[in-house]
Amino acid sequence: QKEVEQNSGPLSVPEGAIASLNCTYSDRGSQSFFWYRQYSGKSPELIMFIYSNGDKEDGRFTAQLNKASQYVSLLIRDSQPSDSATYLCAVGGKLIFGQGTELSVKP
Amino acid sequence: GAVVSQHPSRVICKSGTSVKIECRSLDFQATTMFWYRQFPKQSLMLMATSNEGSKATYEQGVEKDKFLINHASLTLSTLTVTSAHPEDSSFYICSARDIQEYGYTFGSGTRLTVV
Repeated sequence: QKEVEQNSGPLSVPEGAIASLNCTYSDRGSQSFFWYRQYSGKSPELIMFIYSNGDKEDGRFTAQLNKASQYVSLLIRDSQPSDSATYLCAVGGKLIFGQGTELSVKP
Repeated sequence: GAVVSQHPSRVICKSGTSVKIECRSLDFQATTMFWYRQFPKQSLMLMATSNEGSKATYEQGVEKDKFLINHASLTLSTLTVTSAHPEDSSFYICSARDIQEYGYTFGSGTRLTVV
């Protein structure tokens, strides 16, 4: 089992819709969780981090963490074409990354 | 916010030669930096954790004699790919964390092509 797994993409949503990205992790002791966005040929940029169970909102982005289920998700509301990128879930102090989900937002 | 500078951004080298990649934290001190490798269409794979003043900690399967890491100061870590071969061609990225901020900041990455 991979340490961090993300739902396979690509994920395609129409402009204005909600995009839902999911991630599960195997290390039950993990304390920190991050979502990064990566455009092709570029390095990742941090979108959000979450440490506590529940929801955390920042603008159009909401991260949800459920430690009992070892599950973290990212919701993007009012998706825009500029949100089209690969979204990476990362877990723990050493940032173990999932394989990434490619999101495409269609105008 | 925290800024991490990585140099060079792109390098082409001949098979058998060595290449050094630098990662600098510009406005903060980083006792720990991380080095990742990313192949096309794949995610970032952690190679090693670079610790200031001590030996790097390598992930399983990463050859420490091939990927030399030096973290001589609180703002600089270097990765040297020794005796590079075409299969080492990849996107190498470093990251560091400013303790006053959350999350990790990534360098801009180095595209290595070995011919």
